[in-house]
Amino acid sequence: DTGVSQNPRHKITKRGQNVTFRCDPISEHNRLYWYRQTLGQGPEFLTYFQNEAQLEKSRLLSDRFSAERPKGSFSTLEIQRTEQGDSAMYLCASTPTGSGEKLFFGSGTQLSVL
Amino acid sequence: KNEVEQSPQNLTAQEGEFITINCSYSVGISALHWLQQHPGGGIVSLFMLSSGKKKHGRLIATINIQEKHSSLHITASHPRDSAVYICAVSRGNQFYFGTGTSLTVIP
Repeated sequence: DTGVSQNPRHKITKRGQNVTFRCDPISEHNRLYWYRQTLGQGPEFLTYFQNEAQLEKSRLLSDRFSAERPKGSFSTLEIQRTEQGDSAMYLCASTPTGSGEKLFFGSGTQLSVL
Repeated sequence: KNEVEQSPQNLTAQEGEFITINCSYSVGISALHWLQQHPGGGIVSLFMLSSGKKKHGRLIATINIQEKHSSLHITASHPRDSAVYICAVSRGNQFYFGTGTSLTVIP
């Protein structure tokens, strides 16, 4: 058990570029969450997966954001046509079943859009 | 209004002091979580509780289900306890987070 792994740790990009982040959850954790966190705020829900199925997306998630978990293992989060307002820490977390279980977080990907 | 409210937002303490961070929530929950986040680091789960009290080392977490309130206590605080402490609740398949309490312990 190596914990939840996120790559890259940091990403600097120019406005308008596309970026993709990867999350490798703890093996056999079938539920995976993506959150966004800005300074001084708690994590803000973006989306979650039960195995390969994307079960819920935040209404705050614009159509520039897309997430996949093709084989129910790792997940990717893509942001197209990045905007400066997308600058944030993107956190991935996994849990065995979801309800009433501990969340295990990755170290996050810090995105800076210039 | 956020489902989870924490207080205080910021807290500075002298080493050795007893610290309390409070959390109130407004929804029915299956569990309450206390999390710790160090600068630039990921988030670590400290406690998950649905009733009563849990203790781990110098950390104690309590919850009052009727009052929808939880507290995190740190006894004999140390500079290495400096971090952001986040209260979260789980409800169904979702987790709701407070905005965190930034704790600084001064030697």
